[in-house]
Amino acid sequence: QKEVEQNSGPLSVPEGAIASLNCTYSDRGSQSFFWYRQYSGKSPELIMSIYSNGDKEDGRFTAQLNKASQYVSLLIRDSQPSDSATYLCAFQTGANSKLTFGKGITLSVRP
Amino acid sequence: EPEVTQTPSHQVTQMGQEVILRCVPISNHLYFYWYRQILGQKVEFLVSFYNNEISEKSEIFDDQFSVERPDGSNFTLKIRSTKLEDSAMYFCASSTGTGINSPLHFGNGTRLTVT
Repeated sequence: QKEVEQNSGPLSVPEGAIASLNCTYSDRGSQSFFWYRQYSGKSPELIMSIYSNGDKEDGRFTAQLNKASQYVSLLIRDSQPSDSATYLCAFQTGANSKLTFGKGITLSVRP
Repeated sequence: EPEVTQTPSHQVTQMGQEVILRCVPISNHLYFYWYRQILGQKVEFLVSFYNNEISEKSEIFDDQFSVERPDGSNFTLKIRSTKLEDSAMYFCASSTGTGINSPLHFGNGTRLTVT
């Protein structure tokens, strides 16, 4: 069964720190990876997408993908209290448009 | 910015009743999805829909569930005879295509409570 595992949380960091969120996946056929942010009671909101090995940066966010290790991470620099949310890792396989989500990790940024 | 809209935002129903959850996807999107999230659990795929037919469904999407695109704008999820365990947040999503260049856009969800 295709699974996404996210390291246990919750994660608490002080304002201004770097938050590191990690995700491993079991399906080597996975091709596209996504990080979504979900505020309590709200819908998932796309933060980053990545499909090539290496880093992809967008503002304060950097996604890192290592397909050999089946590992994808999200770094949030200069964390803000407004970044406090649950971060969901998800993947797609091949032409299949379906997303498979991890359970998420809750981030709390302390002012 | 165009968005996916879902109605109602909260639906309360009695066990055994039928419910219809409604979604209006983004107008130029071609792929439509339903996901659900039981409180405290992961977002789970239910069904994807393309070209007026189901393209994939999960084990959760059994005979009690059906989807329909009755006109050019609405996309509905029907649960024929609700069970207590159907209580969850149901998210509709849409995309222009498949793959990384066609991210899913989610609606705000319908919270279904079965009593």
